[in-house]
Amino acid sequence: DGGITQSPKYLFRKEGQNVTLSCEQNLNHDAMYWYRQDPGQGLRLIYYSQIVNDFQKGDIAEGYSVSREKKESFPLTVTSAQKNPTAFYLCASIAPGAQETQYFGPGTRLLVL
Amino acid sequence: GQQVMQIPQYQHVQEGEDFTTYCNSSTTLSNIQWYKQRPGGHPVFLIQLVKSGEVKKQKRLTFQFGEAKKNSSLHITATQTTDVGTYFCAGRFGGYNKLIFGAGTRLAVHP
Repeated sequence: DGGITQSPKYLFRKEGQNVTLSCEQNLNHDAMYWYRQDPGQGLRLIYYSQIVNDFQKGDIAEGYSVSREKKESFPLTVTSAQKNPTAFYLCASIAPGAQETQYFGPGTRLLVL
Repeated sequence: GQQVMQIPQYQHVQEGEDFTTYCNSSTTLSNIQWYKQRPGGHPVFLIQLVKSGEVKKQKRLTFQFGEAKKNSSLHITATQTTDVGTYFCAGRFGGYNKLIFGAGTRLAVHP
């Protein structure tokens, strides 16, 4: 069963802690993306990676870090430097071709206690 | 920077009424995509428009791309309760490989 998986579904973090959100895909897609969604707002791009071992900052990269050591995996670390991390985090990958559709994972809701 | 403006932010309709959401960019888009996000869910791709003046239909949904490729609209005819959710447009500019999402329009349908 192909798709994008994100874990955990809900994550609680204490202030000052780093947390890592998992994103795995078995669609053989090269490009992967991390978005942040706040209540009632659109999606803002955090980081993206077009190929293994390469990634670029998006519009709101401060306080976040990523790695892309494998094609299937694109984990996002929310560091203690991110002052307002409570949000819904969505991972996506792109199917290559004319449509370049973004396929989204189910998301992780992060709450800072 | 590049932005995609989307209006309205919210729309409440009675079941059977029509609904339209609009997206606008100050600069030319290379293409625009539309996504639907159900409450508590994740965005799901609906369609992509590429050509100037393009119109595409999916059952009760009609998508348009402006002649200048700076605006787009999604129109739903005779809404149903299953149409509830937030509709996002997402534009791609020039040679950039990232999508710029509009803020979304949240649709509520009252039976």
